[in-house]
Amino acid sequence: GDSVTQMEGPVTLSEEAFLTINCTYTATGYPSLFWYVQYPGEGLQLLLKATKADDKGSNKGFEATYRKETTSFHLEKGSVQVSDSAVYFCALVSGGSYIPTFGRGTSLIVHP
Amino acid sequence: NAGVMQNPRHLVRRRGQEARLRCSPMKGHSHVYWYRQLPEEGLKFMVYLQKENIIDESGMPKERFSAEFPKEGPSILRIQQVVRGDSAAYFCASSPQDRSGNTIYFGEGSWLTVV
Repeated sequence: GDSVTQMEGPVTLSEEAFLTINCTYTATGYPSLFWYVQYPGEGLQLLLKATKADDKGSNKGFEATYRKETTSFHLEKGSVQVSDSAVYFCALVSGGSYIPTFGRGTSLIVHP
Repeated sequence: NAGVMQNPRHLVRRRGQEARLRCSPMKGHSHVYWYRQLPEEGLKFMVYLQKENIIDESGMPKERFSAEFPKEGPSILRIQQVVRGDSAAYFCASSPQDRSGNTIYFGEGSWLTVV
């Protein structure tokens, strides 16, 4: 079945550091890929998405590229801020499916 | 507010009581998902519904849990005879139509505590 694997957290960075959160997946067909962000005590918000190979999703300085050859969708940001501290979830929806599968989430802590 | 609305945000129940969680989808959305998030764990899919129809309930526990999305009114996730292990955050999400690869949009969640 479909699955999403994210790097274990927490990831702890200083402000303005470079961020990478790894995400790899197993899926049937050609999935759509997503990153969601969850701030403490809140629901998940869509951060970015990509629907086909080599697409790059971007939003608020975050980027992720759909890499079919490595089945990956790593999240990156060039310079993190304290306000980026949150839990980040990678997710996919397989071609022909309607139900997103989520990774376990990666907690990011950014120190001033 | 045109987003997904969930209530109550926080609910405390004693063991053996019933919990009812409500979800109103985004305007124009006809499909609803329920997920459960346990402490230190990811999101687990529970059930996928459209109005008056359960499309996929493969993630629902076989006993005590039920969900509905009536023609009028919000979707309801009902947990009967709650136990401590039901303590979790329950998230509802909605999507505009039954189309593969749709983005889904989440509500703020309902935090259930069983004492």
